[in-house]
Amino acid sequence: EPEVTQTPSHQVTQMGQEVILRCVPISNHLYFYWYRQILGQKVEFLVSFYNNEISEKSEIFDDQFSVERPDGSNFTLKIRSTKLEDSAMYFCASIRTAHLNTEAFFGQGTRLTVV
Amino acid sequence: AQSVTQLGSHVSVSEGALVLLRCNYSSSVPPYLFWYVQYPNQGLQLLLKYTTGATLVKGINGFEAEFKKSETSFHLTKPSAHMSDAAEYFCAVRGGPNAGGTSYGKLTFGQGTILTVHP
Repeated sequence: EPEVTQTPSHQVTQMGQEVILRCVPISNHLYFYWYRQILGQKVEFLVSFYNNEISEKSEIFDDQFSVERPDGSNFTLKIRSTKLEDSAMYFCASIRTAHLNTEAFFGQGTRLTVV
Repeated sequence: AQSVTQLGSHVSVSEGALVLLRCNYSSSVPPYLFWYVQYPNQGLQLLLKYTTGATLVKGINGFEAEFKKSETSFHLTKPSAHMSDAAEYFCAVRGGPNAGGTSYGKLTFGQGTILTVHP
């Protein structure tokens, strides 16, 4: 069964460093998303991406964040200068079409720890 | 705007007992509702969804949920818990469509409920 894959599963980084979280969405999906979950809190929407551009972003997604689809398969989330409060589980998701019955498929997440 | 509230961050049941996980939503548009499950060290997996039609929806692993508009609820149930049901469960709502279509994957989640099943 096709699945969304994320790498790495865990990442530890020092405050101020840049990190890139990688996702490979399901191959025929067209819409891509990043979510995050700070420990003990809700899963929160960060950004949506379609047709090589950001469609919508939350207030969390400030200038320190960027997304890119550098080739036909990868979808990346970059945090330019990490802060302690960026420590969270980051989930990538994708959907195939903008249709009433569509469902979002999620990856297994990347746990980011900023020290 | 949408919001989701899950009552009870932890629910504990005995194996074979009824599972009831509560979810209430707030939505300014007709809601599309979802339950996801997360097993340890795994991603979010869709259990079931309500978009339109029958208000009682059945999902995988014997779970079902009923959409009750009058109560703004979408509670998840399973008649008989199994040890393998131990996981964290998330209720989510999706709002109405936007022009670009990306809203179909934009979900607002509840805070999650950890289900523990005792032998």
